[in-house]
Amino acid sequence: AQSVTQPDIHITVSEGASLELRCNYSYGATPYLFWYVQSPGQGLQLLLKYFSGDTLVQGIKGFEAEFKRSQSSFNLRKPSVHWSDAAEYFCAVGLSNFGNEKLTFGTGTRLTIIP
Amino acid sequence: NAGVMQNPRHLVRRRGQEARLRCSPMKGHSHVYWYRQLPEEGLKFMVYLQKENIIDESGMPKERFSAEFPKEGPSILRIQQVVRGDSAAYFCASSPARRESVDEQFFGPGTRLTVL
Repeated sequence: AQSVTQPDIHITVSEGASLELRCNYSYGATPYLFWYVQSPGQGLQLLLKYFSGDTLVQGIKGFEAEFKRSQSSFNLRKPSVHWSDAAEYFCAVGLSNFGNEKLTFGTGTRLTIIP
Repeated sequence: NAGVMQNPRHLVRRRGQEARLRCSPMKGHSHVYWYRQLPEEGLKFMVYLQKENIIDESGMPKERFSAEFPKEGPSILRIQQVVRGDSAAYFCASSPARRESVDEQFFGPGTRLTVL
């Protein structure tokens, strides 16, 4: 069964600093990979997704992620964070099994931004 | 195009009561997924439904939980005889019925269930 690991439970960065959130997955084939963001008390918003092709994917709000098959990783990056980026970030892996695209989520990384 | 709708947004039940959570997928979407998020945890898959069919319920607790997605109307997640451990946020997601590719899931705002 597939699994997702987000090793950092909580990260604090200064506004304007760069950000990298780690995500490792375990799956036998090439997975479909997603990053979602959740603001407090809200639902999940898709930041970006990787299905195939270029391993560097661009998302909304200035985020990007790079798929590295050799490391089974899909880390999320942003060159300069804004205070509004404070939220919980979830990495997820999906697989297409006869049209069943259920997602397996990591436990999340809480991002705090300090002035 | 309205997004995924869930209601109620907050639900309080006493132990032993029933909880009914509703989800209306985005227009044109025929796949519905339910996930549960316990406090301080990620989302866990519960069940995947298409119209009038349960496709995968491998994440559903064996007792007290049931889900349906009728031909007309919203999808319903039903929890009978709720216990304190059922307190969580329940998220519904929907996706279109394209089988030639994997598509993203669009999430609703969630229903936060509190069991007293």
